[in-house]
Amino acid sequence: DAKTTQPTSMDCAEGRAANLPCNHSTISGNEYVYWYRQIHSQGPQYIIHGLKNNETNEMASLIITEDRKSSTLILPHATLRDTAVYYCIVRVLNSGNTPLVFGKGTRLSVIA
Amino acid sequence: EAGVTQFPSHSVIEKGQTVTLRCDPISGHDNLYWYRRVMGKEIKFLLHFVKESKQDESGMPNNRFLAERTGGTYSTLKVQPAELEDSGVYFCASSQDGILAGGSFSSYNSPLHFGNGTRLTVT
Repeated sequence: DAKTTQPTSMDCAEGRAANLPCNHSTISGNEYVYWYRQIHSQGPQYIIHGLKNNETNEMASLIITEDRKSSTLILPHATLRDTAVYYCIVRVLNSGNTPLVFGKGTRLSVIA
Repeated sequence: EAGVTQFPSHSVIEKGQTVTLRCDPISGHDNLYWYRRVMGKEIKFLLHFVKESKQDESGMPNNRFLAERTGGTYSTLKVQPAELEDSGVYFCASSQDGILAGGSFSSYNSPLHFGNGTRLTVT
């Protein structure tokens, strides 16, 4: 079962920052936070992941609270093409690359 | 680099028939995963290969499903005989694995990269 809790849906105005929250209060010290998204009719797309430090790449920023019990994915300037279901996933750091466990995710609608 | 490719993109078969799905992972990726999404449900893990070996097949629903990865390159997922509840989208993913000297796996957490899936409809 997924170890994360996300809002079911969110709206964001085009050009504004989209802030997607995720709770993972039972996260362990050896677990990473991963974010994926699924745009309609495509496969899940990797966005970003982190352990405890904030991370930024060309797609998004990941802010993880100091106690690691929650995180926020930030899309700095949302576009219509960012409309998708966003998944926050906790994945154990282990030898052998453990699978991802998907939950229900947050359906983000970017509105013009 | 080429991404994960899956074939076919769509398949419509009748109940009782056999279907074989194919996945070509990113070149050099030792890890290959199969997932599926049944209508209205979450994406569920099916199994995980490391090279040609099945690392974890705990998600395989029943013995009508057979996955292979001969030679450790591409993989096939066969459904025989197909049932109505097998309809859904089947995703394949791959990831790198840092193998340390001596043959043990590294603890590097490498992202999974997914293909666009095969939409299977069983009528």
